[in-house]
Amino acid sequence: NFMLTQPHSVSESPGKTVTISCTRISGNIASNYVQWHQQRPGSAPTTVIYEDNQRPSGVPDRFSGSVDSSSNSASLTISGLKTEDEAVYFCQSYDSSHNWVFGGGTKLTVL
Amino acid sequence: EVQLVESGGGLVQPGGSLRLSCTGSGFTFSSYEMSWVRQAPGKGLEWISYISYSGIIISYADSVKGRFTISRDNAKNSLFLHMNSLTVEDTAVYYCAGDVSGDPTSWGQGTLVTVSS
Repeated sequence: NFMLTQPHSVSESPGKTVTISCTRISGNIASNYVQWHQQRPGSAPTTVIYEDNQRPSGVPDRFSGSVDSSSNSASLTISGLKTEDEAVYFCQSYDSSHNWVFGGGTKLTVL
Repeated sequence: EVQLVESGGGLVQPGGSLRLSCTGSGFTFSSYEMSWVRQAPGKGLEWISYISYSGIIISYADSVKGRFTISRDNAKNSLFLHMNSLTVEDTAVYYCAGDVSGDPTSWGQGTLVTVSS
């Protein structure tokens, strides 16, 4: 199987842009779609990016996703940061047996 | 609007059993692949089980294989997780989640399972 590695935490100021990385250890990042899930304190996760770069309706276009085969990683970029973006962000992909694989999560602080 | 509602969580003693349910509404439940994901207190998300839309393909994480059983009843828009031989390490919030190609993952609000004597 494979692993997804994320930074434990990132912080940035309101109005700025932040990028959270998700590196696949073993196998090709482009082999399976990557999703990004946001979890605010005390709440269930919600999906902010699916199928690598698709944004659900209701998710602001400040959120974008990408995949880079050269670094074997996926990225979540949030521009025009707002305090409401403070949350833990989990990347997630699939293996060949429909099993989900999660990254460890990145805590985003907007200060 | 897609909605998933879990139920069945609670306090159970080590070695005990519990059955979780997840009821879907606002979408064609039988078209969705379903999974259970759990989150231990202060920890990250852990996928534990998957079932295909038809129920034919099933998989489990090693941490629950042989103890948990996933099933679904498409006629009742319901997903289940039968949990046996529970240990304190199974204490977590359990979420059901649904997937269909071309749409984002939908999540339930979670149900808390506490394993303690």
